[in-house]
Amino acid sequence: QMQLQESGPGLVKPSETLSLTCTVSGGSISSYYWNWIRQPPGKGLEWIGYIYYSGSTNYNPSLKSRVSISVDTSKNQFSLKLSSVTAADTAVYYCARGHIDSMGDYWGQGTLVTVSS
Amino acid sequence: QTVVTQEPSLTVSPGGTVTLTCASSTGAVTSAYYPNWFQQKPGQAPRALIYSTGNKHSWTPARFSGSLLGGKAALTLSGVQPEDEAEYYCLLYYGGAQNWVFGGGTKLTVL
Repeated sequence: QMQLQESGPGLVKPSETLSLTCTVSGGSISSYYWNWIRQPPGKGLEWIGYIYYSGSTNYNPSLKSRVSISVDTSKNQFSLKLSSVTAADTAVYYCARGHIDSMGDYWGQGTLVTVSS
Repeated sequence: QTVVTQEPSLTVSPGGTVTLTCASSTGAVTSAYYPNWFQQKPGQAPRALIYSTGNKHSWTPARFSGSLLGGKAALTLSGVQPEDEAEYYCLLYYGGAQNWVFGGGTKLTVL
């Protein structure tokens, strides 16, 4: 059974860079799309972007200038960096597996990141 | 800015049938948008129910079905159970930009 687990700081200061890692276990990171999604408290889901295991990426246009997703196949991990954060970036951040025609058959439990000084 | 629109809230009686819809600001939703549907309960991660319009995951209860209806993606729950009370999100793929876009969610109340 594949499992995903997000990790990283729960508190980030405004204007700094948010960094999260998703560790995939119970299966290989190869041959799939790996996504980041976020959900501000009490609000809906927002797709942030994905990376294919080979390294190609696609990002939400509204976040594209601040987002970077990378993959480390040797560690079965992929990572998210979001720069110049503000309070509006406070959210639960999820990682999820995707395919060419679907997204999110497996999800991490989510991690709350708060942007505050 | 592409917008995906869902009903903000719906109410259904136990044992009843309800259809949730998902519309795109760009026009009619087709199978090329690979409509996906998710269920989310408070404090939990979303759970995938339907992918690529009408395909079910191995864990998806038989009472959930996906389709295209009147230019929208649709999720139908037949024989609703109390445990189906949750927020439901649709997700569409925009191939030109290679982006996924979530709908705003539908809060389903079973009453």
